[in-house]
Amino acid sequence: AQTVTQSQPEMSVQEAETVTLSCTYDTSESDYYLFWYKQPPSRQMILVIRQEAYKQQNATENRFSVNFQKAAKSFSLKISDSQLGDAAMYFCAYRSSRAGGTSYGKLTFGQGTILTVHP
Amino acid sequence: DGGITQSPKYLFRKEGQNVTLSCEQNLNHDAMYWYRQDPGQGLRLIYYSQIVNDFQKGDIAEGYSVSREKKESFPLTVTSAQKNPTAFYLCASSIDRGLDYGYTFGSGTRLTVV
Repeated sequence: AQTVTQSQPEMSVQEAETVTLSCTYDTSESDYYLFWYKQPPSRQMILVIRQEAYKQQNATENRFSVNFQKAAKSFSLKISDSQLGDAAMYFCAYRSSRAGGTSYGKLTFGQGTILTVHP
Repeated sequence: DGGITQSPKYLFRKEGQNVTLSCEQNLNHDAMYWYRQDPGQGLRLIYYSQIVNDFQKGDIAEGYSVSREKKESFPLTVTSAQKNPTAFYLCASSIDRGLDYGYTFGSGTRLTVV
């Protein structure tokens, strides 16, 4: 079974600065998808960014980018020019793409990292 | 607008009662999921369904039951066998063939045992 680990329960950053959230995962599969979700105080889960394992290029969405290291099974999220609205719980998630497998289609989440943004 | 609707937003359960959480989607998604969220433990999968009239247990299915009689609906029943049901419950859906799209989530139900 796949596992996802977020080793930073809490992180903080000054407004306009850059912060990196860490995520590692364990899998024996070669094809899969990785995601970062944001959960603000409203508790609505919002997809921030996704990465296909077969792509070497790191995904980027505006101020959000990832550092995907497949061999190291690492998937960190970098938030540039942090804004007050970025304050939230952030979850890293793994999704198998192997059709027919017991984990097919299911998202496995890490424990989450609470991000505080200081003005 | 398409989306997932969870109701109620807050639910209180007495000891020994069964309660049902509603989840409805109008996205025409094939797959639906129920997750439980506890502080410090992230989201854990309870049950999931990839087609109508079929569903599978997730990692923490004990004390829960589901049904999938319609594509749009995936209700979750928390039974009296669930010893610690107080938690935040999230329903999600996805296009099964579009694995890179991730999930669309509902806004959640907060269940409290009183």
